[in-house]
Amino acid sequence: DAGVIQSPRHEVTEMGQEVTLRCKPISGHNSLFWYRQTMMRGLELLIYFNNNVPIDDSGMPEDRFSAKMPNASFSTLKIQPSEPRDSAVYFCASSFVSGRLGLALRNEQFFGPGTRLTVL
Amino acid sequence: ILNVEQSPQSLHVQEGDSTNFTCSFPSSNFYALHWYRWETAKSPEALFVMTLNGDEKKKGRISATLNTKEGYSYLYIKGSQPEDSATYLCASQTGANNLFFGTGTRLTVIP
Repeated sequence: DAGVIQSPRHEVTEMGQEVTLRCKPISGHNSLFWYRQTMMRGLELLIYFNNNVPIDDSGMPEDRFSAKMPNASFSTLKIQPSEPRDSAVYFCASSFVSGRLGLALRNEQFFGPGTRLTVL
Repeated sequence: ILNVEQSPQSLHVQEGDSTNFTCSFPSSNFYALHWYRWETAKSPEALFVMTLNGDEKKKGRISATLNTKEGYSYLYIKGSQPEDSATYLCASQTGANNLFFGTGTRLTVIP
């Protein structure tokens, strides 16, 4: 398996532009997570999906951020409009969760390589 | 948001020395404790997942212990090698599916 795939690896854009980050989870995994890594706040969970359904988006910073998972093999994180403070590394991770109500059972998460976003 | 703390923030050790660092987390609503190893320019890789009080896990020269009653976990590295240089992240998992990460301990092993 190729692991979690993210694209692009680097994105440089100007303030106000729309940015779309993409993630392909590991085949067979049913949970997908979007994280943001900054120097100030470390690794923060933005949103996670279970069986393509958003379960917890409380980490999404504001309405400019949105995420979708149209099918089990693809997810996007969109920022519109982007701002310089959105500059960070965005990681996607996936895992297999089994059990009642989707509760994790010792689910290790497999991380993608990340997208380094720079908003000028 | 869960307050997961790791100490020290950074650590330099000589090759061959053994070392350990700490992760503390709220003991209420605890489900599992994860340790990840994160090398520069790579993505975090899972080391251990522990759920029960008193759990001990070992992988080669690296081991971890868990105390859920007092809310802490230790990660030990025996005989550190330069390739052990990385940031070690711990994350607390609540009954839900998400992980709350600490800010990591950055380990540098000096040859």
